[in-house]
Amino acid sequence: AQSVTQPDIHITVSEGASLELRCNYSYGATPYLFWYVQSPGQGLQLLLKYFSGDTLVQGIKGFEAEFKRSQSSFNLRKPSVHWSDAAEYFCAVKNRDDKIIFGKGTRLHILP
Amino acid sequence: DTEVTQTPKHLVMGMTNKKSLKCEQHMGHRAMYWYKQKAKKPPELMFVYSYEKLSINESVPSRFSPECPNSSLLNLHLHALQPEDSALYLCASSQVRDILRGYTGELFFGEGSRLTVL
Repeated sequence: AQSVTQPDIHITVSEGASLELRCNYSYGATPYLFWYVQSPGQGLQLLLKYFSGDTLVQGIKGFEAEFKRSQSSFNLRKPSVHWSDAAEYFCAVKNRDDKIIFGKGTRLHILP
Repeated sequence: DTEVTQTPKHLVMGMTNKKSLKCEQHMGHRAMYWYKQKAKKPPELMFVYSYEKLSINESVPSRFSPECPNSSLLNLHLHALQPEDSALYLCASSQVRDILRGYTGELFFGEGSRLTVL
């Protein structure tokens, strides 16, 4: 069965520092992979997606992610975080039935 | 600004009330979804409509009744809910998988309807 694991429930970084959020997936074929961000009480906003081609994908708000098939990973990165990046981040995979399966999320805290 | 619009943003209802949540999109998507999200949890899929037909029901209790009157609208009718049904209800839309057209599979979410059941 397909699954998504985000091993870090909380991550705290200082403003201006670099960020990496981890995501591992379990899926037999080439997956459709996504990162979404959610601010408190809001809907989910798509940061970026991967479905084929270049394994390094660029997203909105300065985020990027790298698909590594050998490690079944799709980690999200940002070179310098801003206080407004504090939010919940969800990694997700779309399976053969076109269901989006979300990871449990990583809460990002930013220190001033 | 989101292209998926949900109303109302907040809803408070008693356990005997009947209410509805509404969702509208004008992106030409033919798949629409209802998700339920409890605090500090990921969204949980409830229903999927594809070409206005219900294609997935994730064993949701019958007190939740979805409806897709046309390709732009999705409703969720609520009746005899329980306090544990209090949550953020998210609507989303996407393309339908089609090998003849570019397909990327992402969901576009609305801002959600915050439901409180007293």
